[in-house]
Amino acid sequence: DAKTTQPPSMDCAEGRAANLPCNHSTISGNEYVYWYRQIHSQGPQYIIHGLKNNETNEMASLIITEDRKSSTLILPHATLRDTAVYYCIVRAYGQNFVFGPGTRLSVLP
Amino acid sequence: DTGVSQDPRHKITKRGQNVTFRCDPISEHNRLYWYRQTLGQGPEFLTYFQNEAQLEKSRLLSDRFSAERPKGSFSTLEIQRTEQGDSAMYLCASSLAGDRETQYFGPGTRLLVL
Repeated sequence: DAKTTQPPSMDCAEGRAANLPCNHSTISGNEYVYWYRQIHSQGPQYIIHGLKNNETNEMASLIITEDRKSSTLILPHATLRDTAVYYCIVRAYGQNFVFGPGTRLSVLP
Repeated sequence: DTGVSQDPRHKITKRGQNVTFRCDPISEHNRLYWYRQTLGQGPEFLTYFQNEAQLEKSRLLSDRFSAERPKGSFSTLEIQRTEQGDSAMYLCASSLAGDRETQYFGPGTRLLVL
């Protein structure tokens, strides 16, 4: 079973920031938080991952709470092409990636 | 394009037939994974290889399924005596082993068993 809880769906207006929450209250100290997304009929696409510190790359920012029990993926300026299912996964070295149902993000014009 | 390719992209077959899918990973990646995804669900782990060794198999991988990675490069996934319940997207991913391991996925092979 997935170790994360995400809302099943969210809407975001085009050009606004999309903030996708993830709860991982049972995360262990050596588990990383990963985010992937899957656009319809394509393979999952890696977005970002982190352990304790906030991370930013060209796609998104990852904000992890100090107690590491939750995190937020931020897409700073959502576009229609960001419409996808977003998966939050916690995983330590040697463990498999376990995907839950994710959050279906709809970016609206 | 992640650099992971899969062939074919689509396959329609009749129940009882055998099918084989191929995955070509990113060349320097030593790990290769197979997943299955059904409609509305996230990908489910099937098996993975480190180089040519198959290190883990899920209980989802019945006796009709076999995977190989003979030279530690490309991999094949064969399904024998296909059943309608095998209809799904089959995804391949590759990675470099390590604590910050990141898997990169191919586009998938969509199988429809009639």
